[in-house]
Amino acid sequence: SQQGEEDPQALSIQEGENATMNCSYKTSINNLQWYRQNSGRGLVHLILIRSNEREKHSGRLRVTLDTSKKSSSLLITASRAADTASYFCATDAWTDKLIFGTGTRLQVFP
Amino acid sequence: GAGVSQSPRYKVAKRGQDVALRCDPISGHVSLFWYQQALGQGPEFLTYFQNEAQLDKSGLPSDRFFAERPEGSVSTLKIQRTQQEDSAVYLCASSLQGNYGYTFGSGTRLTVV
Repeated sequence: SQQGEEDPQALSIQEGENATMNCSYKTSINNLQWYRQNSGRGLVHLILIRSNEREKHSGRLRVTLDTSKKSSSLLITASRAADTASYFCATDAWTDKLIFGTGTRLQVFP
Repeated sequence: GAGVSQSPRYKVAKRGQDVALRCDPISGHVSLFWYQQALGQGPEFLTYFQNEAQLDKSGLPSDRFFAERPEGSVSTLKIQRTQQEDSAVYLCASSLQGNYGYTFGSGTRLTVV
């Protein structure tokens, strides 16, 4: 079973716009991570946020975490066509294995 | 190598055939994970190794699925008597330790006909 649910399931935007994806999860966590997957490829780790952190930045990425609501958001600013991919959140439930959400498919049009 | 290598990249199996999928993790990575990804879904956990020890196999869907990592490096996922519902992409990931940022391979796409 999948721990997280992302919304929206799909998102289409124009280059230069911001993209926001949300993730909800079910259990207590030690950390939450976001991954990106280009079509037909493996996943690439983007960013990790610990349960005692509320916000984290990495380049054009901004992640927030609200453990009281069991939710996280990923913001991609000034999107580019190359950002087109599926994005997954993953949580650890205090174990070594990650449980992935259902993903958001992002399409950025030039 | 520089990344996680999986082979074969694509595998077509006839129903009932046995298959073996290989994962070569990043050298020195202690933890190795197998996931199954159905079309349009997120990866689903199958099993996890720390060195050669299989610490969690709770995600293996049936006793037809078997994984091993005998020397703590290369791992093989074996599926016996394949069925159509086994068709999916099988992803392998490794990490230095635990879950702090997995490195994934490109996966093996298994199609059972």
